[in-house]
Amino acid sequence: EVQLVESGGGLVQPGRSLKLSCAASGFTFSNYYMAWVRQAPKKGLEWVATISTSGSRTYYPDSVKGRFTISRDNAKSSLYLQMNSLKSEDTATYYCARHRVGAGYFDYWGQGVMVTVSS
Amino acid sequence: EIVLTQSPTTMAASPGEKVTLTCRASSSVSYMHWYQQRSGTSPKLWIYETSKLASGVPNRFSGSGSGTSYSLTINSMETEDAATYYCQQGSSYPHTFGAGTKLELK
Repeated sequence: EVQLVESGGGLVQPGRSLKLSCAASGFTFSNYYMAWVRQAPKKGLEWVATISTSGSRTYYPDSVKGRFTISRDNAKSSLYLQMNSLKSEDTATYYCARHRVGAGYFDYWGQGVMVTVSS
Repeated sequence: EIVLTQSPTTMAASPGEKVTLTCRASSSVSYMHWYQQRSGTSPKLWIYETSKLASGVPNRFSGSGSGTSYSLTINSMETEDAATYYCQQGSSYPHTFGAGTKLELK
């Protein structure tokens, strides 16, 4: 059974940093692209980042480019999201997702972790 | 960036009613994918590559479309189908989602 479990969320002040983690199990982690998708309170879904199987390629929307960094440790079956220079508009639930590159869909999602950016 | 416009924003359907949700893309995409999100839970892949049902999805659901116009259809509405449905394109970066259609039970 595929499982994705996020951790590391919490309350952080604007301008500060936070690092999210996602522990994957139930599949061969190193064979899949992985992604982060977020959802602001009462809002829709926004893709945040994608990383290739080896970690050599990463993709971001303009809204987080230069501030967020996605990374992975295939030996630990773990995905990370380093978030710097956080803004109030980054407040959201962050989901770890398995990314089926090619057609570009997200076939498994974690339960999500809440990040609140506020002073 | 490809913008996805879903309609309607909200709708209510009675049990047994046929329901059609639409998603229009600002540029042509190869596929459309759909997710179901029930209140307080994570999104679930529901339909992928326009018309393929994800594992466990009842066959009263179907997806169709091409180019810039796509739809999700429920042949006969059931109580458990009340949720928000999002379309998503992965044909180009940035991958984008529609704003969602909230489907309620009448």
